[in-house]
Amino acid sequence: GESVGLHLPTLSVQEGDNSIINCAYSNSASDYFIWYKQESGKGPQFIIDIRSNMDKRQGQRVTVLLNKTVKHLSLQIAATQPGDSAVYFCAENRPQGAQKLVFGQGTRLTINP
Amino acid sequence: DAGVIQSPRHEVTEMGQEVTLRCKPISGHNSLFWYRQTMMRGLELLIYFNNNVPIDDSGMPEDRFSAKMPNASFSTLKIQPSEPRDSAVYFCASSSLGGTEAFFGQGTRLTVV
Repeated sequence: GESVGLHLPTLSVQEGDNSIINCAYSNSASDYFIWYKQESGKGPQFIIDIRSNMDKRQGQRVTVLLNKTVKHLSLQIAATQPGDSAVYFCAENRPQGAQKLVFGQGTRLTINP
Repeated sequence: DAGVIQSPRHEVTEMGQEVTLRCKPISGHNSLFWYRQTMMRGLELLIYFNNNVPIDDSGMPEDRFSAKMPNASFSTLKIQPSEPRDSAVYFCASSSLGGTEAFFGQGTRLTVV
């Protein structure tokens, strides 16, 4: 079936470096994508989103890139900090009325001091 | 606003027992979602409501699972009878109707022994 998946389950980077988390999706009808951050013992927290009519969106230290041709999404985190250590999920919204978010499996990001 | 509130935070129960998870969405939000998170399957959407009406329950695993939303400020997810394979973290999330960002609660960690 169609699904949202991630290329890597774990990623380790040095503090201060930039990190890139990748995500592949397969539903070409999805019109909206979100990145969530989940810290241990907490629920997922919204980071940034992007609509399908855009290819790039920037936030504070984060940038999301969308390549609809290859159905690929990435999250770039600049100048990583220890507080960035978490599991990151991409989610796609399938247009069925209210948002029906389908989540990927997640990537665990570890920031090394 | 205190955000999405779930109770209990932890639940340990014996196989065969009935379990009820509770959720209070953010005031003013019209959409409510129930997700289940496991290591093997990640975050799965079980059911979602718009204006207290169930819209899509295709993610509910089987008839042992049921969800209700008697009013705009309260929802329950019930498992009867519970089984060990139901052990997971259950999240409730809410969003404004037509909105894009879903706000998650802290989750209920369910252990069925």
